[in-house]
Amino acid sequence: NAGVTQTPKFQVLKTGQSMTLQCAQDMNHEYMSWYRQDPGMGLRLIHYSVGAGITDQGEVPNGYNVSRSTTEDFPLRLLSAAPSQTSVYFCASSNNRGAGNTIYFGEGSWLTVV
Amino acid sequence: GQQLNQSPQSMFIQEGEDVSMNCTSSSIFNTWLWYKQDPGEGPVLLIALYKAGELTSNGRLTAQFGITRKDSFLNISASIPSDVGIYFCAGLRIGTDKLIFGTGTRLQVFP
Repeated sequence: NAGVTQTPKFQVLKTGQSMTLQCAQDMNHEYMSWYRQDPGMGLRLIHYSVGAGITDQGEVPNGYNVSRSTTEDFPLRLLSAAPSQTSVYFCASSNNRGAGNTIYFGEGSWLTVV
Repeated sequence: GQQLNQSPQSMFIQEGEDVSMNCTSSSIFNTWLWYKQDPGEGPVLLIALYKAGELTSNGRLTAQFGITRKDSFLNISASIPSDVGIYFCAGLRIGTDKLIFGTGTRLQVFP
């Protein structure tokens, strides 16, 4: 998990609240991504970015926004939280566009929406 | 959304036994990765595969990139208690930047 920092580690939200999950990496990686992990579902890609100023949707983008104003940071925003967004969120970064042995994951953010 | 089919879903084995798990897809992948996740932590990369037919080892772990490019296999030999965790395969499709994960295999090792 070297170099990818996620905050907060734990968060409880009420339905309709907004919040931002922060992700930062200090490895000068171009590629960053956000996944959510639900029981029995593995990791599903929410959004990803191949460089500053460039973002794209993954498999499950609805309800989430991202931006990539700098190489280091890739925040994930929930504009109006829903119980279905209760999950564990992982940020990842890579310097090889998602391939190879350079993918690093953060330690995860546990989000509960009540 | 698309996910890879990973099997088995869970395994309960005795220490010292060998373990096999696999991942299949209807799509062709040009990179296969295998990760292990411990409780409360993010996935950690175990093995990366880049060529069809490639066989790569990492200690007691051996993984293979299927010839058809639609599957991959992970074997763990002589399992030990610290092998407990969830193992994920992940694939990168040709022409995309999206890494797709399998549903995971939960491994439990009993002494």
